[in-house]
Amino acid sequence: GENVEQHPSTLSVQEGDSAVIKCTYSDSASNYFPWYKQELGKRPQLIIDIRSNVGEKKDQRIAVTLNKTAKHFSLHITETQPEDSAVYFCAALTGGGNKLTFGTGTQLKVEL
Amino acid sequence: ETGVTQTPRHLVMGMTNKKSLKCEQHLGHNAMYWYKQSAKKPLELMFVYSLEERVENNSVPSRFSPECPNSSHLFLHLHTLQPEDSALYLCASSQDLIAGGPAKNIQYFGAGTRLSVL
Repeated sequence: GENVEQHPSTLSVQEGDSAVIKCTYSDSASNYFPWYKQELGKRPQLIIDIRSNVGEKKDQRIAVTLNKTAKHFSLHITETQPEDSAVYFCAALTGGGNKLTFGTGTQLKVEL
Repeated sequence: ETGVTQTPRHLVMGMTNKKSLKCEQHLGHNAMYWYKQSAKKPLELMFVYSLEERVENNSVPSRFSPECPNSSHLFLHLHTLQPEDSALYLCASSQDLIAGGPAKNIQYFGAGTRLSVL
């Protein structure tokens, strides 16, 4: 089955710096890659997603890039703010089409 | 609020108890999911329902029994659980099964039920 690896598991940045979280997947047929943000004690919320026919997508300070050949995708957060502190999960839709496989999560801490 | 409501928010139960988790979505979605979130582990998909029919069961022990009486409600019945079953149980819904197309893929999560098995 699909395997999604996510790195790093923890990330600390200074406010204003950029943060990058990377994920790799194993199923070359995967075609949908969402990113979820989960603040402490709250539900995961979709922040951005990308489909396999697109190489990059941007939404204000958040961007996601996809390299289908290398089977990896990354989340980029620019000009980080304290409210960006949370756990971020990547996920990949399996080739079968009805299951999202999640990464293990990255604890992002934005320090003042 | 995402339109997905889970109750209770917290649950403590003994290993011999029987309890149920409830999920309700007000989004008119056709697909609903149960996930288990344990510390330092990926989110684990447990069950998938589409139009009240179970379409996936990811090798979940029989002490977890899902029920989907209609497309708005999803239950997870629990009995004779083990301490290692303690986790956050998340419900999610999407307009259709993920393969339904670009706009229908997005899953909306409930706030979860924090379960502790003593």
